[in-house]
Amino acid sequence: DVKVTQSSRYLVKRTGEKVFLECVQDMDHENMFWYRQDPGLGLRLIYFSYDVKMKEKGDIPEGYSVSREKKERFSLILESASTNQTSMYLCASSDRGFFYGYTFGSGTRLTVV
Amino acid sequence: GNSVTQMEGPVTLSEEAFLTINCTYTATGYPSLFWYVQYPGEGLQLLLKATKADDKGSNKGFEATYRKETTSFHLEKGSVQVSDSAVYFCALADNQGGKLIFGQGTELSVKP
Repeated sequence: DVKVTQSSRYLVKRTGEKVFLECVQDMDHENMFWYRQDPGLGLRLIYFSYDVKMKEKGDIPEGYSVSREKKERFSLILESASTNQTSMYLCASSDRGFFYGYTFGSGTRLTVV
Repeated sequence: GNSVTQMEGPVTLSEEAFLTINCTYTATGYPSLFWYVQYPGEGLQLLLKATKADDKGSNKGFEATYRKETTSFHLEKGSVQVSDSAVYFCALADNQGGKLIFGQGTELSVKP
């Protein structure tokens, strides 16, 4: 079964810490995405990548960066965590032809205290 | 820009009731349309999709028809079950890079 795996289900970090959220897919997909999910706001795109070492800003990139050194891995980095970054983070991947939609990971619930 | 608007939740139904969750979109060109479902504590799963006007997507008893004239993609099910309780997201993929744009989600609660 194809999978998108996020390294942690739950994470608690302190304000000001540098936080790494890891995502790995085993489908040889070109495209990878990071979203955050908040009640009443749905899913908002943070960053995405269409190829190795390539990245594009989404709708809410402020306070985040990403890294894609290998095709299967897409990391989200919170440079200096703040309490307003407490959220559910969802990683997704898709093949180049997006018609089949995305495959999502199970999500990481991050709490910044 | 492109956007998706869903009916607000939560929606509470009794088992075997008829379900409709409204979804309308704004987009240039001919986007592909999707419904995703998120069960408690899980990520999103693709429920169904339609890639052109008048296409009907269907899966697990759910259906949605791509209506270009009304820019809608309403989700329907004839008889819901308790196990259908989840959050449902409508989404569109534009034709300029394939990024998915999501609605805000509609929470469905089905009571026995």
